[in-house]
Amino acid sequence: DVVLTQSPLSLPVTLGQPASISCRSSQSLVYSDGNTYLSWFQQRPGQSPRRLIYKVSNRDSGVPARFSGSGSGTDFTLKISRVEAEDVGVYHCMQATNWPYSFGQGTKLEIK
Amino acid sequence: QVQLVESGGGVVQPGGSLRLSCAASGFTFSTYGMHWVRQAPGKGLEWVSFIRYDESDKYYADSVKGRFTISRDNSKNTLYLQMNSLRGDDTAVYYCAKDPGAGMSEGIDYWGQGTLVTVSS
Repeated sequence: DVVLTQSPLSLPVTLGQPASISCRSSQSLVYSDGNTYLSWFQQRPGQSPRRLIYKVSNRDSGVPARFSGSGSGTDFTLKISRVEAEDVGVYHCMQATNWPYSFGQGTKLEIK
Repeated sequence: QVQLVESGGGVVQPGGSLRLSCAASGFTFSTYGMHWVRQAPGKGLEWVSFIRYDESDKYYADSVKGRFTISRDNSKNTLYLQMNSLRGDDTAVYYCAKDPGAGMSEGIDYWGQGTLVTVSS
């Protein structure tokens, strides 16, 4: 089974400063069709998850441009260029390349 | 817009059964695969199960295989999760989620609000 390891697990950030979250996979997430099915989700306190990024770097409609995804193979990163108060919550990576699908442990972003 | 509304959660004794439902609207339900994902209190997300749009493929996490059964009724735009032999570690919020793939699975794009299942004597 694919294991996704996120770091850090806790991320205190000053408003207006950048933030970066890593997601490392125990095996390559490149599928036979050439796509890499790695997504990022934001879960604000008390809410359901919301998808931000799909297939590594594609931003969902309505997601602010300050969010970006990058990476390849087994190493992936979610970046927030300038953190705002509404970004507080837990961020999860998820792989949909190999069954069973799996999530990282989650990274809790808080404002310093 | 896509709406997923779960129901059927509650308190059940260890060894008991429960059936969750998810009513879908805002998209052509019969065209897309669907997932169940759970989140234990204060913990991360755990993928539970997937069903293809036409029920031709079903997948389960090892932790629920043989105890949980996913199904769907495309005429009612409804997804189900039959949970048997429930254990304490099945306690979680269960989310219904839509797959963006119209044929093969591509992951998850939309989530419901979740329904809480508590397994306790």
